Amino acid sequence: SQQGEEDPQALSIQEGENATMNCSYKTSINNLQWYRQNSGRGLVHLILIRSNEREKHSGRLRVTLDTSKKSSSLLITASRAADTASYFCSPMDSSYKLIFGSGTRLLVRP
Amino acid sequence: EAQVTQNPRYLITVTGKKLTVTCSQNMNHEYMSWYRQDPGLGLRQIYYSMNVEVTDKGDVPEGYKVSRKEKRNFPLILESPSPNQTSLYFCASSRTGTYAGEQYFGPGTRLTVT
Repeated sequence: SQQGEEDPQALSIQEGENATMNCSYKTSINNLQWYRQNSGRGLVHLILIRSNEREKHSGRLRVTLDTSKKSSSLLITASRAADTASYFCSPMDSSYKLIFGSGTRLLVRP
Repeated sequence: EAQVTQNPRYLITVTGKKLTVTCSQNMNHEYMSWYRQDPGLGLRQIYYSMNVEVTDKGDVPEGYKVSRKEKRNFPLILESPSPNQTSLYFCASSRTGTYAGEQYFGPGTRLTVT
């Protein structure tokens, strides 16, 4: 199992701006997933990118994956106040153990 | 509605008093797991189950027990809770495959042990 390390730990932006958060991991993966957590609630799956993919889009979300650098980024375009949440990456290898990092806390100011 | 449910949502108990937190999913998922979330430590996996009667330790299993007698249920048991088990607990499930896939999380159980 391995843990994704999100960066930055906290991010504050104005509504309408783009938000970019990064994830680094240590060993080879099968896929990498991003999740969102609103305060005190369960995580919600956002997007999955496979190890043979470099970029994936879902609505206002854009995820990139660079397996040579063992890193991924999540871009939220045209952010809204409702995007305020913590964001976690989850790199998935062949094990069934899962570890999530401490996440990136995003604050979108109205 | 596809969902993972947990009960209770909030629990305050005393040291040493056995408790069980229930988890149930209605998606016929094979994989289920428990996490605890503590400030600054992220989510850490306690136990997971790849199918009925198959369970294994996650990263922080000490002080916890689980069972998987039915596919839909995966209760978390604290035989003798201690204050360091005060935390926010999440149950999750996924369809499975050759590795743990997209996780569906329950709403969380906030446990306080005094």
